[in-house]
Amino acid sequence: DPKIIQKPKYLVAVTGSEKILICEQYLGHNAMYWYRQSAKKPLEFMFSYSYQKLMDNQTASSRFQPQSSKKNHLDLQITALKPDDSATYFCASSQGWGGAQNTLYFGAGTRLSVL
Amino acid sequence: GDSVTQTEGPVTVSESESLIINCTYSATSIAYPNLFWYVRYPGEGLQLLLKVITAGQKGSSRGFEATYNKETTSFHLQKASVQESDSAVYYCALGDTQGGRALIFGTGTTVSVSP
Repeated sequence: DPKIIQKPKYLVAVTGSEKILICEQYLGHNAMYWYRQSAKKPLEFMFSYSYQKLMDNQTASSRFQPQSSKKNHLDLQITALKPDDSATYFCASSQGWGGAQNTLYFGAGTRLSVL
Repeated sequence: GDSVTQTEGPVTVSESESLIINCTYSATSIAYPNLFWYVRYPGEGLQLLLKVITAGQKGSSRGFEATYNKETTSFHLQKASVQESDSAVYYCALGDTQGGRALIFGTGTTVSVSP
């Protein structure tokens, strides 16, 4: 059974609308992350959280807002969607915070298409 | 800046043939880079394949090997004889153990192994 659950797997949205991507991890980890990958681009880091606190934000736009209601949840709210937001969004977690010192575990991703 | 460049896919190989995926990195702001290969099998999230934290060392896992070459800033992934089950997307990544910076990934290389 997958230990990191992302919902939905696929999402189609209209330009200007708002969507929430869900991520839950059942590994007992303390750190969670969001990455995204657009076509032919690197897997790009967006946010990291540790014990539900934002630790790092590499996303320039305030349209992307992570939400952590519980330690094992890190949802991603995206407002005023644009076609350029079309990508696969990956949630990840690790025991401690820091991608080099800790092994990252990823969900299967949510593929978002904005029309 | 810090970045990772890897073989542009897709790469198609026949079963029992050898495979090499090139990865080079630029670590201008990282004093002691750590290097990683992650793999994403169809329908699953990325998972760690191997990591090397010391220049000159080799990492190995599941028949794959990669050597951290500081002189050529490379971390190529090789396997002598691939199997159909090795069909996946392979990501090279760069990390910094100083602080909690997130891993920097490449674009991923899609490998298809034909029977």
